[in-house]
This record gives sequence, C-alpha cells and structure tokens, in this order.
Amino acid sequence: GAGVSQSPSNKVTEKGKDVELRCDPISGHTALYWYRQSLGQGLEFLIYFQGNSAPDKSGLPSDRFSAERTGGSVSTLTIQRTQQEDSAVYLCASSLRPSSYNEQFFGPGTRLTVL
Amino acid sequence: QQQVKQSPQSLIVQKGGISIINCAYENTAFDYFPWYQQFPGKGPALLIAIRPDVSEKKEGRFTISFNKSAKQFSLHIMDSQPGDSATYFCAASALTGGGNKLTFGTGTQLKVEL
Repeated sequence: GAGVSQSPSNKVTEKGKDVELRCDPISGHTALYWYRQSLGQGLEFLIYFQGNSAPDKSGLPSDRFSAERTGGSVSTLTIQRTQQEDSAVYLCASSLRPSSYNEQFFGPGTRLTVL
Repeated sequence: QQQVKQSPQSLIVQKGGISIINCAYENTAFDYFPWYQQFPGKGPALLIAIRPDVSEKKEGRFTISFNKSAKQFSLHIMDSQPGDSATYFCAASALTGGGNKLTFGTGTQLKVEL
C-alpha cells in the first residue's frame, strides 16, 4: 500500500517568505508527527496530532511555526517569515495510534532551503 | 538539552565484521527504544525496537542490547554488508503521557567496505 507522502520534495525560498509543507499520512493512521532534521543534529520533534485531540505543539521552535490537520488526514506545516536557520529537512510520520508501541512510518521529507 | 547521546558519529567496518553503535539516555520515563535506518534521500525506517523489560532483542543480524541501570542501549550489526551502509539513529520515547514522541540521537554514518 501507499506510504507517507510529502510535498514538495524540495523548496527553495527567500528569507522572510512564508512556506507550506504538506503531508499525506498512511490511510487509517490516527497519529501524525512532524520532525525536523538539521545537518548533524539528528531529528527534532516539532508537533503531533492524535485524532480530534488538541495537538501537542511542545516541539515548535517559535510562533512562526504552525500546523494543522484537516479531517484527521492531511497535515500542513506552515513556517511564516522564514529564516536561514529554518533550512532543514522536514519529515512527517504517521502511526496507527500513539497509545501503543506502534511503528512510526516516515515520509521522504521536504528539503527546505532559505536563501 | 540532548536527552539521547549517540556514538560514534561515523563508523567504517569491513564486510563481515560487527558494527556497534551506542546510545545513552537521561529521561527515566522513556519506555520504548527504537533504532531507525536512513538511506540518502529517504525517510528513516524502523529497524528494530526494544522495551526496557528485556535486556536483549535479536532480529536476524541486528541485536539491541539494553542496560536499564546504566541507561544505555546499543545496536549490533553482525556480518555487516555493504548494503547496511546508511545512517542509523537511536531514539527513545515515553508512551505514558508522551504520545510516543521520539527523541533521537544525532545519528551514526555507517560505511561497510568490501
């Protein structure tokens, strides 16, 4: 079956512009996570959604970052007024549910470059 | 604060050798410890995972060793193959109240040479 998909695969933007990154999770997965992978720093948790519950935003680095998940499926991560330090690979993952030891399946990521 | 420390940063192993990657964690609430494998241009993929109620888990050539008292765990790749060349991340999460948010180590670039 189809895995987690993300778009665009690459995004180059100018400092100060807003960007939107999209994630399509695996069908039926109720939990959705966003992570950021910066060079040499591993993966950093940003935000997670579980069903209709309020999202856990504890990993968002600043108020320029926001995310939403519509209809319990597709999610969009928005970065406003992008800065050069926002350059990274943004990864989305989904799992059947977070309340058990369920595998998180990752998408291929969106590579964001802020000039 | 880095809650999961991973070493080495890079590793070169001869084909057929044993690759060993080590991780240490600080948060005693962590109760799930997966290892992810990532190839260039791809997202990480789960390789093997362990819970703290066992000290070792083996799946094929991959083994996790877990030391709860030392708060350390390691990945052993037996009979390493060139196809194992990738970046490996250890991770940890707390399911209770944690939503299984993963805290990752900084990664180990493994190269298996012929």
